[in-house]
Amino acid sequence: AQSVAQPEDQVNVAEGNPLTVKCTYSVSGNPYLFWYVQYPNRGLQFLLKYITGDNLVKGSYGFEAEFNKSQTSFHLKKPSALVSDSALYFCAVSSRYGGSQGNLIFGKGTKLSVKP
Amino acid sequence: ETGVTQSPTHLIKTRGQQVTLRCSSQSGHNTVSWYQQALGQGPQFIFQYYREEENGRGNFPPRFSGLQFPNYSSELNVNALELDDSALYLCASSLEGQPKTQYFGPGTRLLVL
Repeated sequence: AQSVAQPEDQVNVAEGNPLTVKCTYSVSGNPYLFWYVQYPNRGLQFLLKYITGDNLVKGSYGFEAEFNKSQTSFHLKKPSALVSDSALYFCAVSSRYGGSQGNLIFGKGTKLSVKP
Repeated sequence: ETGVTQSPTHLIKTRGQQVTLRCSSQSGHNTVSWYQQALGQGPQFIFQYYREEENGRGNFPPRFSGLQFPNYSSELNVNALELDDSALYLCASSLEGQPKTQYFGPGTRLLVL
């Protein structure tokens, strides 16, 4: 069965420091991997995706993520955190097949808190 | 903004009632998916429509049904509402040829009493 694990319920970072939000996945074959961000009372905003190619993916708002096939991980990173980055972050995986197998499986989310 | 809109933003229903939630996506986004996000959880896939046909379904009972229309709008219908149906319902659309990249609307928060 496909699954996504975000092992940290919350990550606390000081403004200006680097941040990492962890994600590991389990899916058959080569996956598509995504990060979304959710602000309070809002829908999900797309940050970045890994389809194929370079293991380091750059996305919106200065975020990037590193795909590690051997560790089945796709950690989200940012070199310098901003207070405005505080939000709920979701990692998601999709298989490369269509139908119900091709839709997004989400982790439970990690709350990122950036303090001034 | 993603160009995906949902209505209403909030809704209160009582157990046993029926509800219809609506979604409107951008021109060319002919795949729409619906997700249920319970409080404190990640979104869970309900079903997907492609060119007005159901194209996949998650682990939700038949009382969850949907429609997709030629004008890039869609509906989620839930019959015989249960207390556990209280959640944020998210609609997501994808551009033709890029079905894996989904753009989400702001959601409809449903409370079942």
